[in-house]
Amino acid sequence: QSALTQPPSVSGSPGQSVTISCTGTSSDVGSYNRVSWYQQSPGTAPKLMIYEVSNRPSGVPDRFSGSKSGNTASLTISGLQAEDEADYYCSSYTSSSTYVFGSGTKVTVL
Amino acid sequence: QVHLVQSAAEVKEPGASMKVSCKASAYIFNTYYIHWVRQAPGQGLEWMGRIHPNSGATNYAQNFQGRVTMTRDTSISTVYVEVTRLRSDDTAMYYCAKGVQGGFDPWGQGTLVTVSS
Repeated sequence: QSALTQPPSVSGSPGQSVTISCTGTSSDVGSYNRVSWYQQSPGTAPKLMIYEVSNRPSGVPDRFSGSKSGNTASLTISGLQAEDEADYYCSSYTSSSTYVFGSGTKVTVL
Repeated sequence: QVHLVQSAAEVKEPGASMKVSCKASAYIFNTYYIHWVRQAPGQGLEWMGRIHPNSGATNYAQNFQGRVTMTRDTSISTVYVEVTRLRSDDTAMYYCAKGVQGGFDPWGQGTLVTVSS
């Protein structure tokens, strides 16, 4: 199972919006709504930000939103803040009853 | 508050085996899958597999088939991951995480396993 494809990096100024794409196949992202997103700061464990494509766990700011179209899922951070600078990973369930992560995207706040 | 607490860091020689534990608290242990994810230094996240504590049923990523075993001890709400025939590229932070609605939350604090002669 190959990793889902994410851009290595995205950047934006405070207050701007950035979108991270996560491209899979019809065997994972395209067939299941079990797509989730994680934020990871250096030296810490990942934190769940979005589950089931577009749902936010309690405590996650509403400037984080998720969507999906075909084989590509997306995470949008609106009103970018300095504290949002981190690595972000997507994940999807697959037709093999396994999960796969994306390659990861570094978000830089300029 | 749900907590997953992992065992301490390990240093292993190539060819040896490792076994990391993950103890759950503050929820019904038998109800949710526990997943294992690893992260090599400076690299991305890699899903290894999952175990359902109630039945012991497992699913493993293809990359780990034959070298990874996940087990559980329901009497102490603990799951384990064992990796055999360790190589230098198995050096990584190993995380457990509770499965929730297609995602993983929360995560354990991580266990660093270093494979070196």
